[in-house]
Amino acid sequence: DSGVTQTPKHLITATGQRVTLRCSPRSGDLSVYWYQQSLDQGLQFLIQYYNGEERAKGNILERFSAQQFPDLHSELNLSSLELGDSALYFCASSPDRRVTDTQYFGPGTRLTVL
Amino acid sequence: GIQVEQSPPDLILQEGANSTLRCNFSDSVNNLQWFHQNPWGQLINLFYIPSGTKQNGRLSATTVATERYSLLYISSSQTTDSGVYFCALEAGGTSYGKLTFGQGTILTVHP
Repeated sequence: DSGVTQTPKHLITATGQRVTLRCSPRSGDLSVYWYQQSLDQGLQFLIQYYNGEERAKGNILERFSAQQFPDLHSELNLSSLELGDSALYFCASSPDRRVTDTQYFGPGTRLTVL
Repeated sequence: GIQVEQSPPDLILQEGANSTLRCNFSDSVNNLQWFHQNPWGQLINLFYIPSGTKQNGRLSATTVATERYSLLYISSSQTTDSGVYFCALEAGGTSYGKLTFGQGTILTVHP
């Protein structure tokens, strides 16, 4: 158990819908990262937050947005869902924003768009 | 961006065998980690190893940063070692925290 929690574990929805994925980092960790794992694209970095502020952005679509709240939990919002958004979404956390930090991954949320 | 290449893509072993997984990368790195993704999808951090050698039980890893490769050694493999092994790294000078993952090595250990 990495100490990072994600809810829900599974989510099934329809095209065009909007969903919210939630992540609680390990106790004391200030940085949260979101990753997407799909069969065709592999594991890709989406976005990083540090202590409430956006820190780094990767291959995140404009239809996706994220935020980190004062209690340090984070939410990833996916809107206007398409079939291709079906994937495993991971959240990771680390103590700080330093490049030397180890990232610890949550169990993931499996999103299926029908 | 930085390129990450893992080999072999697939590996099938009998229980008790040893193996070496390789990760080549195209640029200097600030952060390099090895992960194991088990059959249930959980990503488990094995090593943080941007340079040098580390050992943890039957697993060890070596990164030669100057030659831009990292190796993961698995000795006396067990069926529970099955899964996908990923190398993930962050290039020097880029936005902090952005791990780039390789395509992974799928390891199957038969009893």
